[in-house]
Amino acid sequence: GAGVSQTPSNKVTEKGKYVELRCDPISGHTALYWYRQSLGQGPEFLIYFQGTGAADDSGLPNDRFFAVRPEGSVSTLKIQRTERGDSAVYLCASSPGTGKTEAFFGQGTRLTVV
Amino acid sequence: GEDVEQSLFLSVREGDSSVINCTYTDSSSTYLYWYKQEPGAGLQLLTYIFSNMDMKQDQRLTVLLNKKDKHLSLRIADTQTGDSAIYFCAGGEYSSASKIIFGSGTRLSIRP
Repeated sequence: GAGVSQTPSNKVTEKGKYVELRCDPISGHTALYWYRQSLGQGPEFLIYFQGTGAADDSGLPNDRFFAVRPEGSVSTLKIQRTERGDSAVYLCASSPGTGKTEAFFGQGTRLTVV
Repeated sequence: GEDVEQSLFLSVREGDSSVINCTYTDSSSTYLYWYKQEPGAGLQLLTYIFSNMDMKQDQRLTVLLNKKDKHLSLRIADTQTGDSAIYFCAGGEYSSASKIIFGSGTRLSIRP
């Protein structure tokens, strides 16, 4: 596709359940980012991939959060034992790679934990 | 780590100039960005400036960077109703692990 695609656009889950959020980056982009945006806040960095490897996962809040990018393209953000505080919009972005300036963002997945 | 701060709200009259200000803490930020977020839409990169530049102009947008004071501003000339949005200042490093750190955003509203 032409842009970064995230699915689902909305997800409602019960507290304690497991969720997976998917990101399809722009074709050919080697860098992929996950951010979380809570209401009234700016996006908060979670994890960054360069190719298949997580180059920086310092933003993951705890071990309930995990992300993979097995083939260097599609990425999945996985959240175990969801809590109400995990409710936010999860944003994915991709960029051409090292030294490039533009990160293109998807529309986000709005996660609501009830 | 990087900390980016912005004022929360700005209201301007249609046709006037808007100036949105931002301060950052990490002098190693190589790129400084302005993103726009409209309701229900994704983040859109408006413009960016390298840290070795003082100013960048792009049509109605002017970015000013004061490295000494770690202050960044975005000026929107002839503000229109379509400029109503939240504007995020962000900083990043020129490196292989270039995460971008965002401010909390400035909500720009336009008065008729």
